Amino acid sequence: QLQMQESGPGLVKPSETLSLTCTVSSGSISSSGYCWGWIRQPPGKGLEWIASIYYTGTTYYNPSLKSRVTISVDKSKNQVSLKLSSVTAADTAVYYCARHRYYFDYWGQGTLVTVSS
Amino acid sequence: QSALTQAASVSGSPGQSITISCTGTSSDVGGYNYVSWYQQYPGKAPKLMIYDVSSRPSGVSNRFSGSKSGNTASLTISGLQAEDEADYYCSSYTSSSTRVFGGGTKLTVL
Repeated sequence: QLQMQESGPGLVKPSETLSLTCTVSSGSISSSGYCWGWIRQPPGKGLEWIASIYYTGTTYYNPSLKSRVTISVDKSKNQVSLKLSSVTAADTAVYYCARHRYYFDYWGQGTLVTVSS
Repeated sequence: QSALTQAASVSGSPGQSITISCTGTSSDVGGYNYVSWYQQYPGKAPKLMIYDVSSRPSGVSNRFSGSKSGNTASLTISGLQAEDEADYYCSSYTSSSTRVFGGGTKLTVL
């Protein structure tokens, strides 16, 4: 059973860069046909897709966040990383990583990131 | 890209059927048979319930079904049970190869 675990700082200061890592276990991040994505959910609000990456390095970004987001993959560590720059309080959310094709079938448990000074 | 449109809430009594709608555009819902639905309990990660408009993953009850007409997709839950009370989100592939979610619908079982 594929497992995904998000990790990173739970508190980030405004204007700084949020950095998260998703570690995939019991499966390979190089599996053909799958993308690896990040989705976030502000407290009490809905889901927002942030970005996705194919193991070959092809990336896809939410147009509304594209200027601040970088997604990358480390095949040797079986990890996917997310960087979100110039954060504000509006970026406070639970951040999920997920495997997907046209649908998201495996999700991590999520990690809460709070943006506050 | 704009979020897909879902009603904020829906309710039903045990045993009844309810339908949750998800409206997009010809660039997402209407253009592809790649609509999926997710169930989310408070404090938990979303769970895939329907993919490719109407397919059910292994282990998901056949009380859950999906369909699509034009730019609107629908999730129907029949034989409503107390355990179905949760938030439900739709998602679609888009013409830009991106993904978009709906705003979510809170289902209350009366």
